[in-house]
Parts: sequence; C-alpha cells; structure tokens
Amino acid sequence: GAVVSQHPSWVICKSGTSVKIECRSLDFQATTMFWYRQFPKQSLMLMATSNEGSKATYEQGVEKDKFLINHASLTLSTLTVTSAHPEDSSFYICSAREGGQPRNQPQHFGDGTRLSIL
Amino acid sequence: AQTVTQSQPEMSVQEAETVTLSCTYDTSESNYYLFWYKQPPSRQMILVIRQEAYKQQNATENRFSVNFQKAAKSFSLKISDSQLGDTAMYFCAFMKHVRASGTYKYIFGTGTRLKVLA
Repeated sequence: GAVVSQHPSWVICKSGTSVKIECRSLDFQATTMFWYRQFPKQSLMLMATSNEGSKATYEQGVEKDKFLINHASLTLSTLTVTSAHPEDSSFYICSAREGGQPRNQPQHFGDGTRLSIL
Repeated sequence: AQTVTQSQPEMSVQEAETVTLSCTYDTSESNYYLFWYKQPPSRQMILVIRQEAYKQQNATENRFSVNFQKAAKSFSLKISDSQLGDTAMYFCAFMKHVRASGTYKYIFGTGTRLKVLA
C-alpha cells in the first residue's frame, strides 16, 4: 500500500517552455503533499508544502510564480515549472502523507522526475 | 532551529557484515519522530525505519535497527547481514512541526552513500 505515482519520469524540453509534473497517491488520500528538488549527490530540498484545497506554502527562496503548485484533489498534486531555463534542470520528487495523525504518518515518495532544459 | 547531521558522506561494508550509519540532530522539542530513508540508484525514496521519541525501545525492522539515544540526540542506523541490494544513499530525517501553518515537514540530513561490496 501507500503508493505514490509521479509522471513523467524524465522530460527534456527547450528553454522558455513550461513543464507540468503530476503526483498521484494511488491507494490513499493525501491530505498533504510535498515537492522537493534534489541536485546531484545532494540531499532533498523542500520547495513547498500543499494541503488539499488550499494554497501551497513555499519555502524561503522558492519563487511561487516560477513553481506553480496545485493540489485540487486528495489524490493529485501538480508542479508546473513556468518558463523553464537550464538552471531549473534538476531532479524533482513529490511525496504525500495520509490523513490522520501527522506524526504517525511518514511521507511516501514518488519515483521522481528528471527535468532537463536545453 | 532543528538540524540533522550525517557525518559520514560515504561508507562501504562487505557483504554479510554489519555497518552503522550515524545521525545526530538538534531540537528543543520533547516529542518528535525520526526516520531513515534509503535512496537506491533508481532514486525512489524508501522508508527504512522510524522511531518515536517518547518510546525508549529502539525500533527494529528485520535486518535494520536503530540506536536511539535521546539525551545525546543521536539516531544511528545499524544494518546487519548487509546485502548487495542495500547499496544506496541513506538519509536521516527529523519530522518538524511548523506552528505557523500547523503542518509537519521533514528536515533531511545530507546523506551517507553506502556501498556493499561482494
């Protein structure tokens, strides 16, 4: 159980285009979803936290107009990288937490999306 | 502010041997949760084990166990009978309560790259 599906797993696009990444919880309701960015051989950096039906909370230094997050349902969150540039190239990972006592519930992670901007 | 420190960037262990990965953290909270995640070359984050701070008994999951020393704020991971499939990046994580938003989020350590040698 507790499967999180992330799509696409790899995307290459031209500079200036927008890219949407989907994160779905397949067998549970995710009241909270998280978006991380990971540079090579580094730890996960939290970009934003989103609760279903409300605006995402962005971490300091993350541009909310650049990285649009939508969490419209209990099973789906999307991250849109707008007007992507080469410096946005990275590995993006989503995670989801079930409802109930947050402290009892670990985050379940998707497989990640490798984004390459040419 | 909470911080998580993993002082061993890389480690190696012979197959079937035992290895211990260290993690220390800093917090003023009295009750909290700690986690170890594994990130194999496939890049998906996999939950290995978790510990509740109010429980004195160390958590165990098959070949994985922790040595939780609350007073010392230490949370090391022991892998017994190491297998080739244990080769991965291991991240220690502290679950932090964000009072302003009422959400809970992870603070990750910088990771330890473990290589199991045949």
